[in-house]
Amino acid sequence: SQQGEEDPQALSIQEGENATMNCSYKTSINNLQWYRQNSGRGLVHLILIRSNEREKHSGRLRVTLDTSKKSSSLLITASRAADTASYFCATDNAGNMLTFGGGTRLMVKP
Amino acid sequence: DAGVTQSPTHLIKTRGQHVTLRCSPISGHKSVSWYQQVLGQGPQFIFQYYEKEERGRGNFPDRFSARQFPNYSSELNVNALLLGDSALYLCASSLEVFGGNTIYFGEGSWLTVV
Repeated sequence: SQQGEEDPQALSIQEGENATMNCSYKTSINNLQWYRQNSGRGLVHLILIRSNEREKHSGRLRVTLDTSKKSSSLLITASRAADTASYFCATDNAGNMLTFGGGTRLMVKP
Repeated sequence: DAGVTQSPTHLIKTRGQHVTLRCSPISGHKSVSWYQQVLGQGPQFIFQYYEKEERGRGNFPDRFSARQFPNYSSELNVNALLLGDSALYLCASSLEVFGGNTIYFGEGSWLTVV
């Protein structure tokens, strides 16, 4: 079963625009991790945010976590065509066993 | 340093056959996990191994089994293959299983069952 649900399922934007993806989950978590997946490839780790953290940044990426609403968001600023991929959130209740959502498919048009 | 490596990258099997997928974790990582990703869906957890012991198992039938070797590499075995087993099988490694470690994934093994 899938714990996290990403929203929207698909997103199409122009290069240079910002992209925001949201993730909701159902049970309490230890941490939440965001991944990127290019078509047919493995998962690339983007950011880990712990349950006691509210916001983290990495380059053009900004992740927020609201444990009271059981939700997280991933913001990609100044998007590039190379950001075209699927993005997944994954929750870790404890012990590093991840539960993934269905992903957001991002298309960045040049 | 090399990342998580998996083999083979692609394979085709016939229904009823058996398959073995292999994974080498990042050097120094003691935990290996396996995930199945069906086309168009997010990955689903199959197994987690830590220090050669099974620590977690997802909702998969007994046809799926795995093991971890003394060098921390791992194998995933699937018996009596079904068409529905066609998927990308992802291996992941982490340093430990406590304290919320970053989990790194390999490129996966594409399995097609015909």
